[in-house]
Formats: sequence, C-alpha cells, structure tokens
Amino acid sequence: DGGITQSPKYLFRKEGQNVTLSCEQNLNHDAMYWYRQDPGQGLRLIYYSQIVNDFQKGDIAEGYSVSREKKESFPLTVTSAQKNPTAFYLCASTTGQGTGQPQHFGDGTRLSIL
Amino acid sequence: GESVGLHLPTLSVQEGDNSIINCAYSNSASDYFIWYKQESGKGPQFIIDIRSNMDKRQGQRVTVLLNKTVKHLSLQIAATQPGDSAVYFCAENAGGTSYGKLTFGQGTILTVHP
Repeated sequence: DGGITQSPKYLFRKEGQNVTLSCEQNLNHDAMYWYRQDPGQGLRLIYYSQIVNDFQKGDIAEGYSVSREKKESFPLTVTSAQKNPTAFYLCASTTGQGTGQPQHFGDGTRLSIL
Repeated sequence: GESVGLHLPTLSVQEGDNSIINCAYSNSASDYFIWYKQESGKGPQFIIDIRSNMDKRQGQRVTVLLNKTVKHLSLQIAATQPGDSAVYFCAENAGGTSYGKLTFGQGTILTVHP
C-alpha cells in the first residue's frame, strides 16, 4: 500500500545527544513536511521541502535540521540545541502541484528525554 | 469551536446525533481549507477539503461550510458514531508563495457516547 512510514514509533534522547527521525513515502510526492505536536496544541511546522535537494525553514526550525537527498526520504535531526524536544513529531507529504492539495501524514514518532 | 489557548475545546454527543465542529481561521488570503481527524497516537487523517470559491462541500456523512465574510469554517458530521470520537483539526493554506504550507487550528475533542 502507498503511504508514509515514520520510524521509530518511540524514541528516547539523552542530554547532549542528536537523534534522527526517519520519514519515507512511496506516494511519489514532491513536497514533504515535518511538524511538531505538543499536548493540547495544533501542529507547528518545523521544515518543509518542495523538491529534492531543497528545503525551507518553517515556523519553529531552531534546534532541528533536515536533508532531502532522495524524493522518498526526508529525515529530521533533533539536535542538542533543541532544549525542549519532548513532543510528537509528524511527517507529511503532498503532490508538487502547489496549493489546493491535502497533506497525507504518517503515524508519528514520540520523542522523550531520558 | 477552536481558539487560541492551552485547553482544547470539547464536544460531547450521543450516538446518532449530528455534530458540528467550528473553526475560526485567521488569514483572509487563505484559499484552501482542510479538516483532519486524529485518533490517539496516530497521525491526522484527511476528512474533507474546500476551496475558497465554494461555500459548501459534502462527503460521506460529512459537510464542510465556509463563510469567508466572518472567516469561519465548520464541519458537520451526520449520525455520529462512537468511531468518530477523535480530535478534529481545521487547517488553512494561504496560497501564493506559501506553497502548500498549512496552518493548523488547535483542535476540538469530539466524544461520542453510545
């Protein structure tokens, strides 16, 4: 089945450690997105990528980094500079046809601090 | 309906009743709107979308209404079922250079009692 796969489902980070969250899609979508979700809040955009080898900062990019070397993959690294990383992280993708297209989501990675 | 703040609005209904979930959006330039359903521990699931040149769109058991004059969006669920219990988010896209970027509301918790 086509879809978006995020791994791992749960992840624990130690102080001073960088961790990388995986996002893979087989929908042949051009655009991919990373969101952060905190309890009782909506989704906030971290980074997005419209095309391979290009990505843009979202609203809360500080302490995060991404890469887009392949169309189907958009990994997110939570760096040690992110002082409050505990959250639910969601990856999404959509076709590269501009606005007016729904984003499709993976089932998220829950990151916690040890 | 949805609002800024740390406490999600809630809606409790009896099975078989109709549900109406409201959303006030912020950007008068937004031209595309989506409703998502999110169950616990999962990613948001697309329900229905609407473009700004429409004021109503119907799907299976769901209807979205758009009032651009007052920047208001609503989701109506007919014959609500226990499986409809979830958090519902509205999202808007401002179009133009924002290219597919969605701004999410905080969400409304819908609880359906058998």
